[in-house]
Amino acid sequence: GESVGLHLPTLSVQEGDNSIINCAYSNSASDYFIWYKQESGKGPQFIIDIRSNMDKRQGQRVTVLLNKTVKHLSLQIAATQPGDSAVYFCAESFSQYGNKLVFGAGTILRVKS
Amino acid sequence: NAGVTQTPKFQVLKTGQSMTLQCAQDMNHEYMSWYRQDPGMGLRLIHYSVGAGITDQGEVPNGYNVSRSTTEDFPLRLLSAAPSQTSVYFCASSYSRAGQPQHFGDGTRLSIL
Repeated sequence: GESVGLHLPTLSVQEGDNSIINCAYSNSASDYFIWYKQESGKGPQFIIDIRSNMDKRQGQRVTVLLNKTVKHLSLQIAATQPGDSAVYFCAESFSQYGNKLVFGAGTILRVKS
Repeated sequence: NAGVTQTPKFQVLKTGQSMTLQCAQDMNHEYMSWYRQDPGMGLRLIHYSVGAGITDQGEVPNGYNVSRSTTEDFPLRLLSAAPSQTSVYFCASSYSRAGQPQHFGDGTRLSIL
C-alpha cells in the first residue's frame, strides 16, 4: 500500500446519525472487496464484503456500495452508536491471486454522544 | 474456539537481535498470512502461506522469514532486528479460496531500540 502519512482521515458523527465512510481502490481487476473494523488494541474484524458483480450489499445496520466505474467503495452505517467508534479499513483482492488482500490506509470514525 | 492466537503481545528488542513471533489458529484454515501495521497506514502483507509446506512473499518481505510445517502454526522470524521493523504485527487465517473472510489475531507490538 502507499503511505498516506501519519494522519488518517477522521469522520465525526453524532450518535444516532448515519455514517458514510469512503474508499478508493487501486486495481480495476479486483473482484472482491471487504470492510474491516479495528478497535484500539485489537486486530481487524470483518464487517461485510461485496463481489464485483454486485453494486450493493446490506447487512445488519451496514450497507456497502461499489462503483466500479470510478473504483469507489463506501460503507454506510445506520444509526451510528458509540460502539461503532473505531478505524475502518477497506481491502481488495483479485481472485487469481487467491486470498491476498490489499488494504487501504483507513478512516477513523468518532461517535459523539 | 480460540481463533487466531498471537504471542507475545508485546516485545522490545535491541537492534541486531533475532526473534520469532508466534501465530496459531484452530480453524483448520489453509491460508495464513502476516501483516505489519505502521501509524497512519493500512496493513501491508509480509508473507503468506496457502498450506503446510508452501510459503510466498508479500509486499514487504525483506528482513523476515516464515515457515509452515503444520496447518495450525505460521511463525514469523526477524533475522536481525532493525528500528524500521518497529511496528504492530498481525497474523490472519482463512480458507484459501478467494473471497473468504480473513480472521485476525490481536497483534504483537514490537519495538526495536
